[in-house]
Amino acid sequence: GAGVSQSPRYKVAKRGQDVALRCDPISGHVSLFWYQQALGQGPEFLTYFQNEAQLDKSGLPSDRFFAERPEGSVSTLKIQRTQQEDSAVYLCASSLLPGGEYGYTFGSGTRLTVV
Amino acid sequence: AQSVTQLDSHVSVSEGTPVLLRCNYSSSYSPSLFWYVQHPNKGLQLLLKYTSAATLVKGINGFEAEFKKSETSFHLTKPSAHMSDAAEYFCVVTFTGTASKLTFGTGTRLQVTL
Repeated sequence: GAGVSQSPRYKVAKRGQDVALRCDPISGHVSLFWYQQALGQGPEFLTYFQNEAQLDKSGLPSDRFFAERPEGSVSTLKIQRTQQEDSAVYLCASSLLPGGEYGYTFGSGTRLTVV
Repeated sequence: AQSVTQLDSHVSVSEGTPVLLRCNYSSSYSPSLFWYVQHPNKGLQLLLKYTSAATLVKGINGFEAEFKKSETSFHLTKPSAHMSDAAEYFCVVTFTGTASKLTFGTGTRLQVTL
């Protein structure tokens, strides 16, 4: 597609429920990032993939968070046993090259609300 | 370690007057610097980027930024604000040429009044 596509656009989950957020990057983009943006804050890094390899997951806040990109294209961010503090916008970004020389394209995000 | 500091959380200007959004960075290596804009309920849009080429970078919608290594700054400017410029602006740093995460500033909310 022309841009980075994320789904669902909005998700309401009951506390304790598992959720899966999908990111479809620009075709051919090597790098894929997940970010978490809490209300009124800047995005914070969660994890990074280069093709199918997860090279950095240092930003994942707990072992309840898991991300995968099995075929080097679509990525899924899974949150198990959601908590209220998980409520945020989850942003996905992709880049043609690992170094980001051509910039990073962000999706519109998934707004997760845990009730 | 890399970080960015956006010196103003909120800036208000009148339409037609200049815009200045300030950003200072800290990076041990040669940085790449970006400005992104986020309109309400919209995704992040790249305004401009610096990746060790010309220090004065021109972006979309009349915005530009100057990389000043001696001051470790990358301030965003526009000669004349438009109502449609009202949004949240983020200064972002990463390392040039490496598979490195983007580090965002806390954002500056730009308000444009008539």
